[in-house]
Amino acid sequence: EDQVTQSPEALRLQEGESSSLNCSYTVSGLRGLFWYRQDPGKGPEFLFTLYSAGEEKEKERLKATLTKKESFLHITAPKPEDSATYLCAVQAKGGTSYGKLTFGQGTILTVHP
Amino acid sequence: DTEVTQTPKHLVMGMTNKKSLKCEQHMGHRAMYWYKQKAKKPPELMFVYSYEKLSINESVPSRFSPECPNSSLLNLHLHALQPEDSALYLCASSLSGNEQFFGPGTRLTVL
Repeated sequence: EDQVTQSPEALRLQEGESSSLNCSYTVSGLRGLFWYRQDPGKGPEFLFTLYSAGEEKEKERLKATLTKKESFLHITAPKPEDSATYLCAVQAKGGTSYGKLTFGQGTILTVHP
Repeated sequence: DTEVTQTPKHLVMGMTNKKSLKCEQHMGHRAMYWYKQKAKKPPELMFVYSYEKLSINESVPSRFSPECPNSSLLNLHLHALQPEDSALYLCASSLSGNEQFFGPGTRLTVL
């Protein structure tokens, strides 16, 4: 069974204090690993897709990396508007191409001014 | 148009009511999804439609009935719901089965 574990559950940072969120996964053949940002009461916003170990993607203050067992979301010099829940999800190879995402429990990030 | 829209934004219904949630996308995506999300939990997959056919039903109770009238539209018909069904219902779509793009959700309260 596919599993995704995110840590920490919650992270409080001061504005400008860089840090990383972790996503460990177990999947029977990785088709893709996805990062989403979710604000309270809203739908998840797509951030990145990573397909293979060694791959990196960047967007503004965010950088996502992937190894064979985990992914990191690095946040450089965060601002209060980066406060949100960050969700990691994996999709396994095989089965239907439009198949399910297995989500982690999320990391609640709070950035204080 | 690069977004998924959902109506209504909020819905309050009694346990004997029948209501429907609507989802629309005009990005040419061929897969559409319904998720349920409880507070402080990740989204849980309910149904997947691929090319307008139901391809995944995650053992969802029959009081939830999905419908995909065409490639741009997805409905979720609700009947005889329970208070524990109160949640944020999310629709998503995907072009190739990889990235899924979510709508803003419908906040459902069952009294």
